[in-house]
Amino acid sequence: DAGVIQSPRHEVTEMGQEVTLRCKPISGHNSLFWYRQTMMRGLELLIYFNNNVPIDDSGMPEDRFSAKMPNASFSTLKIQPSEPRDSAVYFCASSLGASHTGELFFGEGSRLTVL
Amino acid sequence: GQQVMQIPQYQHVQEGEDFTTYCNSSTTLSNIQWYKQRPGGHPVFLIQLVKSGEVKKQKRLTFQFGEAKKNSSLHITATQTTDVGTYFCAGRGSGTYKYIFGTGTRLKVLA
Repeated sequence: DAGVIQSPRHEVTEMGQEVTLRCKPISGHNSLFWYRQTMMRGLELLIYFNNNVPIDDSGMPEDRFSAKMPNASFSTLKIQPSEPRDSAVYFCASSLGASHTGELFFGEGSRLTVL
Repeated sequence: GQQVMQIPQYQHVQEGEDFTTYCNSSTTLSNIQWYKQRPGGHPVFLIQLVKSGEVKKQKRLTFQFGEAKKNSSLHITATQTTDVGTYFCAGRGSGTYKYIFGTGTRLKVLA
């Protein structure tokens, strides 16, 4: 299995631009999570989906952030407009959910720099 | 909301010394997981604990889940340079798929 695939791996953009991060979970996994990692705040859960439905988005910082999961094999995290404080590594993770071990499989992350 | 804290934040040890990181949740957990993140890498699953008082071992690593299911620990015996990285606990409350990650403990092993 290819594992969780994220793109882009690195993104440098200017303040005010739109950023779209993409994630392909492991086939057959029914839960998908978006985390953000910074030195100051550690690993923060932004949103998670179960069976393509957003279950909890209480970690999404503000209206500039949005996430979608149109089907079981694809999710996006969009930031519009981006700000320098959004600079972080964004991880996508998938799991089989509570019916299995619930182990989270992380992608390699998307490192975002907003100038 | 649920918070998960870890201590210490950083630990430097000489190769061969033991290392322990502690994880404390503000709420009772259904289960707890441990992950390791190498510098520049992504978190990788190590183990899951479910039962109160559970102890599991993986070679030199020993994991414990507290009786009240609010705390956990990871102990590494005789550290090696390959143990370098940040160790995170991640706790899940009952009735949710949501894992809240601890603040992490960054381990450096000096050869």
